[in-house]
Amino acid sequence: GAGVSQTPSNKVTEKGKYVELRCDPISGHTALYWYRQSLGQGPEFLIYFQGTGAADDSGLPNDRFFAVRPEGSVSTLKIQRTERGDSAVYLCASSLGSGPNTEAFFGQGTRLTVV
Amino acid sequence: QKEVEQNSGPLSVPEGAIASLNCTYSDRVSQSFFWYRQYSGKSPELIMSIYSNGDKEDGRFTAQLNKASQYVSLLIRDSQPSDSATYLCAVNVGDYKLSFGAGTTVTVRA
Repeated sequence: GAGVSQTPSNKVTEKGKYVELRCDPISGHTALYWYRQSLGQGPEFLIYFQGTGAADDSGLPNDRFFAVRPEGSVSTLKIQRTERGDSAVYLCASSLGSGPNTEAFFGQGTRLTVV
Repeated sequence: QKEVEQNSGPLSVPEGAIASLNCTYSDRVSQSFFWYRQYSGKSPELIMSIYSNGDKEDGRFTAQLNKASQYVSLLIRDSQPSDSATYLCAVNVGDYKLSFGAGTTVTVRA
């Protein structure tokens, strides 16, 4: 497909478990972002990649959260020791480059439920 | 103060009417403004971007920007039931980060 692809679409996990969420950006897009959206709220920034490196991870809530993008394309968001408060929709977006006028396009999200 | 604030709604309009959505932002140096539409349970879809003061029209959508007032709006003309969704205002923070409002839910009554 031509859009941002995220897997799985839904993930239910037990408190304390480890989860990985995957994002496949639009082909050719060098910039990749992770956002988190809680019910009734707008997306909140987590981390930004330009190429393979995490250029800004200031939105990650704590050190249980980590993301990688080893080859500059697919990214994985990793959450250790999940907590019920981590339940949210995790959105991935990509853009052709970066800069203030850059348009970012979102994937369909992964709905994470921690029970 | 939140970086981006929107009318929480819900906003209910009859079919064929104009829906008017408002957004204010706090960072005076922001340069880019975006409107995303989000259907229930779906991802945000970019529908409008605006970078200069004034109006920008795209089909039934018009975005309006007033940087002096730190205000951006979205008008939906001839509203259709398919326009029923949550509309998210997003403002750039620096070169790549977007700050979103909480969204305004619009319901178009047939």
